[in-house]
Amino acid sequence: KQEVTQIPAALSVPEGENLVLNCSFTDSAIYNLQWFRQDPGKGLTSLLLIQSSQREQTSGRLNASLDKSSGRSTLYIAASQPGDSATYLCAVGGTGTASKLTFGTGTRLQVTL
Amino acid sequence: GAVVSQHPSRVICKSGTSVKIECRSLDFQATTMFWYRQFPKKSLMLMATSNEGSKATYEQGVEKDKFLINHASLTLSTLTVTSAHPEDSSFYICSARGPLGEKLFFGSGTQLSVL
Repeated sequence: KQEVTQIPAALSVPEGENLVLNCSFTDSAIYNLQWFRQDPGKGLTSLLLIQSSQREQTSGRLNASLDKSSGRSTLYIAASQPGDSATYLCAVGGTGTASKLTFGTGTRLQVTL
Repeated sequence: GAVVSQHPSRVICKSGTSVKIECRSLDFQATTMFWYRQFPKKSLMLMATSNEGSKATYEQGVEKDKFLINHASLTLSTLTVTSAHPEDSSFYICSARGPLGEKLFFGSGTQLSVL
């Protein structure tokens, strides 16, 4: 059974800092990995999707990497802004059931002024 | 990107009543939708996979008679929490596979509070 862990559970950084969020998974036989953002009491917004054959994806100030063999992914946020404050979730898609995602417990990020 | 609309965003009901939550794909057809449940400060747990025109597939431990799912069209799936009890209070989120079949797009969620 796939298990997804995110560290740290919570993070507070001053505005402008670069930061890294970590995601690890136990079963390396994955189809893809997706990073989401969730604002309090809201749904999820997809940030980046990495296929199992890819090493990284970039969108604006966000960069996500994937090391399938070691069961790890990182989300790098450059020049953080207060608007980046949210919970970030990584989710792993299993092989054969690409849309059946296993979610991590998330990292609650607060970017302070 | 694709838009998934979920309604209502918040509902408060009395114990014993039933509550229906709607999930619509607004600008694409979704043959498959997913229903998740999220407890405070916890991750999302997949409850069931909703398939258009056929029965939903429930995850282990999820009562299908408790959580009725109907996916009658390519753009609408509904989750009905029957005879709700306080322990059913939770945040429910639906998602649909996007038109390109890769990303999942999520609704804005429904906060259910059962008194």
